[in-house]
Order: sequence, then structure tokens, then C-alpha cells
Amino acid sequence: AQSVTQLGSHVSVSEGALVLLRCNYSSSVPPYLFWYVQYPNQGLQLLLKYTTGATLVKGINGFEAEFKKSETSFHLTKPSAHMSDAAEYFCAVNGAGGTSYGKLTFGQGTILTVHP
Amino acid sequence: NAGVTQTPKFQVLKTGQSMTLQCAQDMNHEYMSWYRQDPGMGLRLIHYSVGAGITDQGEVPNGYNVSRSTTEDFPLRLLSAAPSQTSVYFCASTPRRDRGSSPLHFGNGTRLTVT
Repeated sequence: AQSVTQLGSHVSVSEGALVLLRCNYSSSVPPYLFWYVQYPNQGLQLLLKYTTGATLVKGINGFEAEFKKSETSFHLTKPSAHMSDAAEYFCAVNGAGGTSYGKLTFGQGTILTVHP
Repeated sequence: NAGVTQTPKFQVLKTGQSMTLQCAQDMNHEYMSWYRQDPGMGLRLIHYSVGAGITDQGEVPNGYNVSRSTTEDFPLRLLSAAPSQTSVYFCASTPRRDRGSSPLHFGNGTRLTVT
């Protein structure tokens, strides 16, 4: 079984400040990890993903995440927040093997608020 | 390229009514799935399909039915709607070829209210 825990259901930052959204996962096999963003009344859009190789992954809109196997973490960061980053963010892990591909397990979501 | 198309966008049902949420994709993806999104709970998998004629239950399948007669379509049926099924429903697809490393492609969702 696999699981994802996002620490903090709400995160508030000032414009220009560092954004840090935390994600810890549990998986019995090497995971594929994803961050998605959801803007109000829209579907989910992929920010970035980790599959294999380099542990620091860069995504769209200036976001990046680092896969740390020893800590079972995949935290999302952005050096300088913009007002347009206000949204809900989801961390997800993919099952491995056979028919588990495509069956994502999602975290509870973190709502990011950016203050002027 | 339309991607994943869900209809309707909004729906209000009375308790006990039935309906079908439609989902179609034009990317020839083998894997399709249905999720529901509830506040504070993230997205939870309802049903899943790895190809035409093959479906499987997810985490929260009760009260829902699916079938996959073609690669393109994966409808979700509510047999007898209950207020607990008030939620936002997302359909998603992904190709088999990348063995799990491909992200899900999501539709724009259906917002369902059951009164």
C-alpha cells in the first residue's frame, strides 16, 4: 500500500517570500512522485514529476522539488512567491507494477495563499 | 486535440435518482480512472480501467458503476444518488507505455450536488 501526507492544509506567504509545501510518502517500491496544482474551479495541472535519475526536479512556473529517499519526502519549493501562485497543491504517488500504473494516491492538498 | 472531456460540468440530483457522468479521451490512452474530490480529503480513486473490457475498484467504489466498452469512453454511473455523493468528480487518463512515469491527464471536472 502507498500513502501521501501533506503537512499543513493551509500555507500563507507574502509575495516575494519562499514557498515551501511539504510532502511525505510511503511506498513499498521505488515511487513515481508528482505535484499537481489546481486553480479555483479548474482541473488539475501537472507541476512536475520525479521518476528516476536526478533528485532535484524542476517544473513549470519556477517550482522545483527534491526527492529525498532517506526522508521519504518530496517537498515543493519556489524561491519567490507571486500572487498568481495562489491555488491548491496536491502531492501524489504512483503505484508500481502491473495494473497499478495510473492509480495515483493523493495527499490531502495544501491551499497556498499569497499576501501582497 | 481535446484531451479528456467530461460532461456535464454541473449537475443537481435528488436523492434516489440515477445518472451517468460522461468521460471521453482522444489520446488513445489505455488507462482511465475516476476520482472524487472532497474538501480536506484530496482526490480518492473510485474506479479504474486498464483497457477496454477491464475495470477494477478503487478506494471508494460503493454506489458507483463503470464499464469500458471502447478505449475512448469511460462513463461513471450513479445508481441511486445519495447526499454523500455530493462532490467534484474528475476523470483522468494516462498511457500504458511509460509504465507509471507518465502523469495523469485530467478533465475539467463535474460538480455534482445531491439534495
